[in-house]
Amino acid sequence: DAKTTQPPSMDCAEGRAANLPCNHSTISGNEYVYWYRQIHSQGPQYIIHGLKNNETNEMASLIITEDRKSSTLILPHATLRDTAVYYCIVRVENDYKLSFGAGTTVTVRA
Amino acid sequence: GAGVSQSPRYKVAKRGQDVALRCDPISGHVSLFWYQQALGQGPEFLTYFQNEAQLDKSGLPSDRFFAERPEGSVSTLKIQRTQQEDSAVYLCASSLSLGTDTQYFGPGTRLTVL
Repeated sequence: DAKTTQPPSMDCAEGRAANLPCNHSTISGNEYVYWYRQIHSQGPQYIIHGLKNNETNEMASLIITEDRKSSTLILPHATLRDTAVYYCIVRVENDYKLSFGAGTTVTVRA
Repeated sequence: GAGVSQSPRYKVAKRGQDVALRCDPISGHVSLFWYQQALGQGPEFLTYFQNEAQLDKSGLPSDRFFAERPEGSVSTLKIQRTQQEDSAVYLCASSLSLGTDTQYFGPGTRLTVL
């Protein structure tokens, strides 16, 4: 599996956009980029995933570079409830396993 | 609707005791997963069921770990002769059909082995 690199932590201001980077320079053509988050004392929660096109849903937007070697998760208007560990995961299309790394601890400050 | 539930939420065991952790997946979900999360780390895959069939148990750390899902619904993760290194949060997830569908996680069971 391709591995991902994320910054260990980042802060952002409430109401502002939070941009979470992820590097996956060895990603293969059939591997998707998934994002999950884990709020303290809860199980991970699916956010969004994509292959090569940018994706948007009610929670976030996912921007994948043209060469697919990196991506950015955007939380458009961060709230205090968005404080969590965010995991960027690269996953082969037919692979059921999720391989979590250490993630990015995001702290949203008032 | 009800999500994935796990019980107990917290378990304290003395070293050498056997423990059983239960997972109730979302009704109708075919696939079920167990993950182990050590303190400060991301979850790590343990095992995967499709209905009652255990298709992958490659992540189970030792033969003291055993998982079952006899009727294709509720699953139990059993750890025999617990060791201190087994202390972790054990997460269960389920998905609707194939394992590649979105996985929905339960809150986890925090196991502390003294």
